[in-house]
Amino acid sequence: GESVGLHLPTLSVQEGDNSIINCAYSNSASDYFIWYKQESGKGPQFIIDIRSNMDKRQGQRVTVLLNKTVKHLSLQIAATQPGDSAVYFCADPTPRNSGTYKYIFGTGTRLKVLA
Amino acid sequence: NAGVTQTPKFQVLKTGQSMTLQCAQDMNHNSMYWYRQDPGMGLRLIYYSASEGTTDKGEVPNGYNVSRLNKREFSLRLESAAPSQTSVYFCASSEPTGERSPRNEQFFGPGTRLTVL
Repeated sequence: GESVGLHLPTLSVQEGDNSIINCAYSNSASDYFIWYKQESGKGPQFIIDIRSNMDKRQGQRVTVLLNKTVKHLSLQIAATQPGDSAVYFCADPTPRNSGTYKYIFGTGTRLKVLA
Repeated sequence: NAGVTQTPKFQVLKTGQSMTLQCAQDMNHNSMYWYRQDPGMGLRLIYYSASEGTTDKGEVPNGYNVSRLNKREFSLRLESAAPSQTSVYFCASSEPTGERSPRNEQFFGPGTRLTVL
């Protein structure tokens, strides 16, 4: 079946360095992806999205790269800060007949920022 | 705006007990969802409600029931709790527009941590 998964369960990064969180997907028809951030004790929050007609999308300190050839996307965080410590999920919304979207969430990568 | 609120925040049940998890949103969203989150499993959809008056099963509906009480509220009921239902439960809401865009972003509540002994 369809799956979306992150490569590493945990990533430790020195404060100020750049972080790269990777995600692989299996559905070749997937054409839209969302990254969520989940801080401890909170629900996930939207960070950035990307459509398949793009290879790269930039936000504030975050960049998402999409490689459709190998079905891989990555989230890059520039100048990682302590507030970036969280679990990061990639999700692949696929449409349902009801008009809602089925989100397939990966298992998440926990980013630890070291002082 | 409070966004999505959930009650209670924490709950401990004994096997066989029943309880209802409450969720409310004040964003006037049509769609609401219940997920459970377990270590190493990511978020899994239990039930969802595309609009008021409709509910549908997600990936892991067994052992749960839901009620879409009105547009704002979507409750999740465990009739006879089992230890396998120990998890963190998240409610979410979204506004479907027919396009995949941030407007379809799911807004999550803070979660309910449930332990079944």
